[in-house]
Amino acid sequence: GAGVSQTPSNKVTEKGKYVELRCDPISGHTALYWYRQSLGQGPEFLIYFQGTGAADDSGLPNDRFFAVRPEGSVSTLKIQRTERGDSAVYLCASSAGTLVSYNEQFFGPGTRLTVL
Amino acid sequence: AQRVTQPEKLLSVFKGAPVELKCNYSYSGSPELFWYVQYSRQRLQLLLRHISRESIKGFTADLNKGETSFHLKKPFAQEEDSAMYYCALAYFGNEKLTFGTGTRLTIIP
Repeated sequence: GAGVSQTPSNKVTEKGKYVELRCDPISGHTALYWYRQSLGQGPEFLIYFQGTGAADDSGLPNDRFFAVRPEGSVSTLKIQRTERGDSAVYLCASSAGTLVSYNEQFFGPGTRLTVL
Repeated sequence: AQRVTQPEKLLSVFKGAPVELKCNYSYSGSPELFWYVQYSRQRLQLLLRHISRESIKGFTADLNKGETSFHLKKPFAQEEDSAMYYCALAYFGNEKLTFGTGTRLTIIP
C-alpha cells in the first residue's frame, strides 16, 4: 500500500505569512508524529497524536505552531506569522501503535518550507 | 533530558573495509535505541533497533549501557551503504524519537 504522503513537497512563503502543511498517514495508523529537520541537524520532535488528540505537543517551539488531526487520519501543521528561522524540512511519520510496543514509525518524504 | 551524540559528521570508508558509526546517548533510565538511514533521494527509514537484535543489510549494533553507546557496525562495506545515518533514542512512556545530528557515510569504490 501507499506510504505516508505529505503535501506540498515544497513551499516558499514570505515572512509573516500563514502556511499549512498536510500529512496523510498510512491507512489504519493511529499514531502520527511531526518532526522538523533544519539544515545539518537530525529531525526534532514537534508533536504526537494518538487518534484525534495531541498526546504530546512539548516540541512545538511557540504558539505560532499548531497542529490538528480532526478525524484521526489526516493531519495539518499550521504555522502563523512565519519567520525565516522556520525554514526547514517538516517530516511526518505514522505508526500502528506505540514505539515501546515495537511499532515502527514510517516517515513521509517531507515538506521543504522556505521563508523568504 | 535525553541526548544523542554522533561525533562524526562525515565518514569515508573503502569498499570491503569495516564500518563503524559511533553513537553515544545520555539518559538515566532504560532507553530504546534505533538506527535510521536515509539513502539519496529517499525517505528516512528504520534500519534496526536494539530490542530486535537483528542484523539488517549486514549491519549490527550493540547497546553498551556502561559506555552509553550504540555504535553501528558492518564488517565489509558495500557501495550501496553510502547514505545518511541517524541514531535515535526513545523510552517507555515517551513516544518521541530524539535524533542525533547524523553521519554521512561514503563508501569509496
